[in-house]
Amino acid sequence: EPEVTQTPSHQVTQMGQEVILRCVPISNHLYFYWYRQILGQKVEFLVSFYNNEISEKSEIFDDQFSVERPDGSNFTLKIRSTKLEDSAMYFCASSVASGGTGELFFGEGSRLTVL
Amino acid sequence: AQKVTQAQTEISVVEKEDVTLDCVYETRDTTYYLFWYKQPPSGELVFLIRRNSFDEQNEISGRYSWNFQKSTSSFNFTITASQVVDSAVYFCALSEARIRDDKIIFGKGTRLHILP
Repeated sequence: EPEVTQTPSHQVTQMGQEVILRCVPISNHLYFYWYRQILGQKVEFLVSFYNNEISEKSEIFDDQFSVERPDGSNFTLKIRSTKLEDSAMYFCASSVASGGTGELFFGEGSRLTVL
Repeated sequence: AQKVTQAQTEISVVEKEDVTLDCVYETRDTTYYLFWYKQPPSGELVFLIRRNSFDEQNEISGRYSWNFQKSTSSFNFTITASQVVDSAVYFCALSEARIRDDKIIFGKGTRLHILP
């Protein structure tokens, strides 16, 4: 069964360092997302991406964050200068259709720990 | 603005009991989608169900059932004859029908403990 894959599964970094989280969405999907879950809290929307541009972003997704689809398969989330409060699980998701008709498939998450 | 409220933060029941997880949502759209996701201790998000706003029929899938009531803006989830493997955090979520994305908004989740 096709799945969304994320790497790394866990990354530890020092505050101020740049981090890139990678995702390989399901191959025929067109819509891509990043969500964040701080430990023990709810899953929060960060950004959606379609047709090589951001469709929508939340207040959390400030100038320190960027997303990119550098080739036909990867979808990356970059945090330019990490802060302690960026420690969280980051989930990538993809869907084949929009408008709520497409089921979001989530990856297993990348846990980021900022020291 | 859209909002999902799961008032139950944590529930504990003994195995084989039935348990209902509550979900209340807010949206100004007439077309929207509701979801339930399960997050087991391993951390991944597991899709359970999607229901569109025009389909108020209740759904049953094995021991799981969902009760969608537009009149009260609720989409409750019942597990019948609970099992220890049902222990997880359960998230209710809402998506407003949009052309350019499928952004979904999650509730805060209900942590369910099934005690042996």
